[in-house]
Amino acid sequence: NAGVTQTPKFRILKIGQSMTLQCTQDMNHNYMYWYRQDPGMGLKLIYYSVGAGITDKGEVPNGYNVSRSTTEDFPLRLELAAPSQTSVYFCASKEGGGLLTEAFFGQGTRLTVV
Amino acid sequence: AQRVTQPEKLLSVFKGAPVELKCNYSYSGSPELFWYVQYSRQRLQLLLRHISRESIKGFTADLNKGETSFHLKKPFAQEEDSAMYYCALNTGGFKTIFGAGTRLFVKA
Repeated sequence: NAGVTQTPKFRILKIGQSMTLQCTQDMNHNYMYWYRQDPGMGLKLIYYSVGAGITDKGEVPNGYNVSRSTTEDFPLRLELAAPSQTSVYFCASKEGGGLLTEAFFGQGTRLTVV
Repeated sequence: AQRVTQPEKLLSVFKGAPVELKCNYSYSGSPELFWYVQYSRQRLQLLLRHISRESIKGFTADLNKGETSFHLKKPFAQEEDSAMYYCALNTGGFKTIFGAGTRLFVKA
């Protein structure tokens, strides 16, 4: 039972480069999320999706894009990497939007932009 | 404003000592609160939720609406409890707000 899988686990990017962080889940969850975690800060919501074809911005969407073509996959795209995007990125999914449902997390992607 | 505050970044206790990780929230609606834990080299996972009123791995947390708190407690800390703990607030269904986290270090 894989749950939520993120790739890669680590990446170093140069300023201005682009990359896609992959996230896939095998639990048939409708809700998926991307968070970033900066040192000493909580998890900040970047984007979320409530189902295939539907995405919306979270608290810190600037510099990122997402797509949700299937229920399983929710990739996060960085078009022009900046040092401010150095962070640990977490993908998560939930079964639904109910208040009591827990989030399941991937193992995270540590991204450094130099 | 919706907010979760964990005032302690690091909490260090001796094995067998009581531990309390503090969490305060700000939310105008009826809160649904959770504690998540991240052990070394493992993913973030749910520890407990307030609605269940459960004890997981000896940890309990009581929602105090008057003090807007949801502190996590354990009477006797174990070395394997060393981890990063996050308090989280579910708002409006889809959105979960996390605190900054508290790193618990249990010394032998």
